[in-house]
Amino acid sequence: DTGVSQNPRHKITKRGQNVTFRCDPISEHNRLYWYRQTLGQGPEFLTYFQNEAQLEKSRLLSDRFSAERPKGSFSTLEIQRTEQGDSAMYLCASSTQGSRGGNTIYFGEGSWLTVV
Amino acid sequence: AQKVTQAQTEISVVEKEDVTLDCVYETRDTTYYLFWYKQPPSGELVFLIRRNSFDEQNEISGRYSWNFQKSTSSFNFTITASQVVDSAVYFCALLTTDSWGKLQFGAGTQVVVTP
Repeated sequence: DTGVSQNPRHKITKRGQNVTFRCDPISEHNRLYWYRQTLGQGPEFLTYFQNEAQLEKSRLLSDRFSAERPKGSFSTLEIQRTEQGDSAMYLCASSTQGSRGGNTIYFGEGSWLTVV
Repeated sequence: AQKVTQAQTEISVVEKEDVTLDCVYETRDTTYYLFWYKQPPSGELVFLIRRNSFDEQNEISGRYSWNFQKSTSSFNFTITASQVVDSAVYFCALLTTDSWGKLQFGAGTQVVVTP
């Protein structure tokens, strides 16, 4: 199995610009997740998909954030009108649906965003 | 509400010493999953172990071992004979029926192994 793939790995952008991150999950994983992590903190949940359906969004996901998974395979996370507070590592993860609902969630290497 | 507490912020050991990381969790769910992840300086979160609430068997895998005690809501993790490559931040995480997407992470424990 190839792991969860994210790109770009690093992005520096000016405040006010839009950025988009792409995530390719492990093949055959029907669940895909986005998390955000700032320095010194644990990851925080943003949103997750089961196939192409976005099942849950965190209150952290403001109107400037949008995530899609149009064909139930790769996903994109777009941040519009970036702010300095958006600087963080954005982690994508994937899993299958376990027999009792949950299963192991595998993370990618993350995409670092710096807003200047 | 779900909560994960890792009381140790940093542990420093000399190579070959054992390291035990504490994790205490809170949930009202009877079906849940507990995880340990390792995050080296490169940033990637590496999955180490998963334990289900319906399986209390503790295991050893190489230099890693886990102690899951449902009665005390603890899920401790031990590295035996630590190595410099074990230096990383270790996160304990909880997944429950409340949301199958939302891993609740602890604050993490920084492990520093010196030669």
